Amino acid sequence: AQRVTQPEKLLSVFKGAPVELKCNYSYSGSPELFWYVQYSRQRLQLLLRHISRESIKGFTADLNKGETSFHLKKPFAQEEDSAMYYCALSDPRETSGSRLTFGEGTQLTVNP
Amino acid sequence: GAVVSQHPSRVICKSGTSVKIECRSLDFQATTMFWYRQFPKQSLMLMATSNEGSKATYEQGVEKDKFLINHASLTLSTLTVTSAHPEDSSFYICSASGGEWLSYEQYFGPGTRLTVT
Repeated sequence: AQRVTQPEKLLSVFKGAPVELKCNYSYSGSPELFWYVQYSRQRLQLLLRHISRESIKGFTADLNKGETSFHLKKPFAQEEDSAMYYCALSDPRETSGSRLTFGEGTQLTVNP
Repeated sequence: GAVVSQHPSRVICKSGTSVKIECRSLDFQATTMFWYRQFPKQSLMLMATSNEGSKATYEQGVEKDKFLINHASLTLSTLTVTSAHPEDSSFYICSASGGEWLSYEQYFGPGTRLTVT
């Protein structure tokens, strides 16, 4: 069974500090991995997906198959980055409907 | 683009009654819609996947007779919680996927807060 683990429920950093939100997964195969973000009073939205290999809002995430991790990183956190972050996994073999398995989320607070 | 709406945003119903939640894709055709449930301070749990014109596929442990899902058109899916009980109180979120044309990305609705008294 596939599972996504985010070990930190809460993470607090100061503005300008580096931030890393951890995500580990268990999956037998090559999954597709995502980071979703939910700002206060807003809906869940996609932040980035590993196949795109792009940086969004200064965030990057690298898939490490050896460690089965997909940690989200930003070198200099901003106050507007404060939000709930969810790591998610889907099976790329499911073409019609990419069912997502979510981690429990990490609440990031960036202090001034 | 790719906006998903849900209605109502919050609903209170009495125990034993049924309540319907609508999920609409406003500017794209959703080949697949998903229904999630989220308990306070917990993650999203997938309840079911529905494809337009076919029966929904429910996740293990989700009662299909209690959570009726209808995906009658490419822009509308409904979730009906039948004979609701207080333990059904939760935040229900839908998402919609436009399939290959939108890179299979899921676009999420704002959620519906259900309270059963």
